[in-house]
Amino acid sequence: GAVVSQHPSRVICKSGTSVKIECRSLDFQATTMFWYRQFPKQSLMLMATSNEGSKATYEQGVEKDKFLINHASLTLSTLTVTSAHPEDSSFYICSAREREVEAFFGQGTRLTVV
Amino acid sequence: GQNIDQPTEMTATEGAIVQINCTYQTSGFNGLFWYQQHAGEAPTFLSYNVLDGLEEKGRFSSFLSRSKGYSYLLLKELQMKDSASYLCAVRDGDYKLSFGAGTTVTVRA
Repeated sequence: GAVVSQHPSRVICKSGTSVKIECRSLDFQATTMFWYRQFPKQSLMLMATSNEGSKATYEQGVEKDKFLINHASLTLSTLTVTSAHPEDSSFYICSAREREVEAFFGQGTRLTVV
Repeated sequence: GQNIDQPTEMTATEGAIVQINCTYQTSGFNGLFWYQQHAGEAPTFLSYNVLDGLEEKGRFSSFLSRSKGYSYLLLKELQMKDSASYLCAVRDGDYKLSFGAGTTVTVRA
């Protein structure tokens, strides 16, 4: 099946710094990628929809200036958490859609802000 | 938006069958998905229903009734490795997935 690679898998950063997370579709072109956040023992919450060559669409309550999304090519989308704070510590997961049926998820990134 | 409900926890014995129910209220429906998620890992795709009826895939089956806003995931011949969280997700017309809170299934020997 299609593979989505997410990097890094874990990152620890200091409060106030920025962190970039990459999401790559390895063997298919993804015009649309999605970014989710998952807090412990909770389900995935959609943060934004990333469209190649255009601005991302953010869900209600998600700060677009804090969570910068860039989808510069058909195989790469990046999420940058700017000026990270401890409350941003979470599990961030991307997904990419190849066909009608399935959405493939990256491995996820565990972000810890200290 | 979507409102998706599924039980929080279920426990079953190895070799048994477990059925996880999911009910949803949606402003737009374009398919229902079931995912398996082990702790600390990303979800993996299990099944997809867009029409009413049963979809069978090995030990896993999924059922959908659009008129009732209802789906279930059936896990047969349970194995210890099936212990995980199972997520019900509804897709809207923009291909966005809304997830339920997940059902933690514990398989006991």
